[in-house]
Amino acid sequence: EADIYQTPRYLVIGTGKKITLECSQTMGHDKMYWYQQDPGMELHLIHYSYGVNSTEKGDLSSESTVSRIRTEHFPLTLESARPSHTSQYLCASTPRDRGNTDTQYFGPGTRLTVL
Amino acid sequence: AQSVTQPDIHITVSEGASLELRCNYSYGATPYLFWYVQSPGQGLQLLLKYFSGDTLVQGIKGFEAEFKRSQSSFNLRKPSVHWSDAAEYFCAVGAQGGQNFVFGPGTRLSVLP
Repeated sequence: EADIYQTPRYLVIGTGKKITLECSQTMGHDKMYWYQQDPGMELHLIHYSYGVNSTEKGDLSSESTVSRIRTEHFPLTLESARPSHTSQYLCASTPRDRGNTDTQYFGPGTRLTVL
Repeated sequence: AQSVTQPDIHITVSEGASLELRCNYSYGATPYLFWYVQSPGQGLQLLLKYFSGDTLVQGIKGFEAEFKRSQSSFNLRKPSVHWSDAAEYFCAVGAQGGQNFVFGPGTRLSVLP
């Protein structure tokens, strides 16, 4: 069983607020990902990281930013939340050597609502 | 770049009936194929994966999938569906060489009592 955690699980916040969604994994995985998923819809990759100090933008343009200062931690930040940011955000990780050919382990997700 | 299609947006089956969820992929080389399940409000859980070898793959919860290269398909099957199988199912393809996972749009499964 994979150990990947996301906090908070649910967040309701007003427009213009700065928020940080936390993602941590205890498996020592090098590669980590953030996906955005609207209800009942497919996953869209918004950010990924190959390791410490590595961050890349994904397929879907996002106003969020990420950082990777520690292997186990990959937080996502929105400087000024807007209603269009309302969505579910899923974090995932993969062991380094097998990268994208191996299983992605997912956290439980953060459901964000911006009023 | 790889791509994945799941032709069925929503499927409804009766409890105890058999199930097949379709997945078609597009990729020039040998794909690495996955099926994930997502319960409402939850993250994704891996059901099974195919990398190489036997084209019939067994997974958790009684699911299996068959890789058919000639049809570019990786359909998920279960002989007898349980009410707890109601969820969203995602097919995904990974590839070597720097491309990331690509997920299909998902198929929502409803189970009638």
